[in-house]
Amino acid sequence: GAGVSQSPSNKVTEKGKDVELRCDPISGHTALYWYRQSLGQGLEFLIYFQGNSAPDKSGLPSDRFSAERTGGSVSTLTIQRTQQEDSAVYLCASSLGKEKLFFGSGTQLSVL
Amino acid sequence: GESVGLHLPTLSVQEGDNSIINCAYSNSASDYFIWYKQESGKGPQFIIDIRSNMDKRQGQRVTVLLNKTVKHLSLQIAATQPGDSAVYFCAEIVGGTSYGKLTFGQGTILTVHP
Repeated sequence: GAGVSQSPSNKVTEKGKDVELRCDPISGHTALYWYRQSLGQGLEFLIYFQGNSAPDKSGLPSDRFSAERTGGSVSTLTIQRTQQEDSAVYLCASSLGKEKLFFGSGTQLSVL
Repeated sequence: GESVGLHLPTLSVQEGDNSIINCAYSNSASDYFIWYKQESGKGPQFIIDIRSNMDKRQGQRVTVLLNKTVKHLSLQIAATQPGDSAVYFCAEIVGGTSYGKLTFGQGTILTVHP
């Protein structure tokens, strides 16, 4: 079956602009996660969605970052007023439970 | 196993050799561990997992060993192939969490020479 799909695969933006990153999880997976991968920080947890429960936003680095998940499926990560330190690969993952997260190929974000 | 630092450990082996990749973790409350493989331009790919009530688990060409006494995890790859070249990450989940909030190690670059 299809894996986790993320778009765009690459995004170049100017400092101060807003960006939206999209994630389509594996069909039937109830849990969805966003992680960030950067050279200086490795892989960092950002946010987690499970069904209709309130998301765990404990990993979001600032209030410029937000995410939503519509209809229990597709998720959008929004970064407002982007800064150069936001440049990283943003990875989405989904799972049926707490184990075996399946990752997408990520969105490479470059803020100029 | 902290996710910090710009300089990843590297391991270079010849095709056909066995590879051992090591990972240290710091949280004694972690009860589930996973190894991921990440190839260039792709997301991490699940390889094998192990629960804290086990000390060894085998998969196809891979074995994970867990030593809780010294908080050490290793991944053994038998008969390493060029296609195994990638960055390998260990990850842990702290016991009591109901979801997969992974804490990743810094990663190890494996290069397999034909």
